[in-house]
Amino acid sequence: QKEVEQDPGPLSVPEGAIVSLNCTYSNSAFQYFMWYRQYSRKGPELLMYTYSSGNKEDGRFTAQVDKSSKYISLFIRDSQPSDSATYLCAMSAGDSWGKLQFGAGTQVVVTP
Amino acid sequence: NAGVTQTPKFQVLKTGQSMTLQCAQDMNHEYMSWYRQDPGMGLRLIHYSVGAGITDQGEVPNGYNVSRSTTEDFPLRLLSAAPSQTSVYFCASSYSPAGSGANVLTFGAGSRLTVL
Repeated sequence: QKEVEQDPGPLSVPEGAIVSLNCTYSNSAFQYFMWYRQYSRKGPELLMYTYSSGNKEDGRFTAQVDKSSKYISLFIRDSQPSDSATYLCAMSAGDSWGKLQFGAGTQVVVTP
Repeated sequence: NAGVTQTPKFQVLKTGQSMTLQCAQDMNHEYMSWYRQDPGMGLRLIHYSVGAGITDQGEVPNGYNVSRSTTEDFPLRLLSAAPSQTSVYFCASSYSPAGSGANVLTFGAGSRLTVL
């Protein structure tokens, strides 16, 4: 069983809707949680990172972490066609190197 | 400021051939790593380096070799290519934001490798 599970989608939403993405994980040692966005045939780029439980907001993006449930979420408000991409969650235990475990990614399609 | 530069972008090899994927970063990051990305599998760590002269294995190291002679460069060598190594390869350099324990990766654009 994978340490990080993520629904591959695709998730199709109309422009302006809220996109809701999530990952579950099994390793209780994970403390750092990140979301990357990957456009087709490009490298992933960091959207947000959070530490431990709680919420973090950055513009239209909100990341939530629930360590008790081993569940993290990313919400995208007022979605735009330019948000169409694959979203990868990643997490680490925060040791000296902090090797990341990635989810497989969820493909999001925002239709005009 | 180019960030992380990978070459080549595309490569086709025959089984048994060897090749080197190049990676260079200009951000003076100590940490560099190589991942492969396969459908449904996510990104998997092949090898990583915490500084010049120091490398270690990741999750899927077999069939690959790395070295780190400078801070800037981290090449990945395929010793004897196999069809199972058909994948998209990403190099990343990373830093830890001040006051946090997070390890934030900056990725290159990727190298698409097909092994026939």
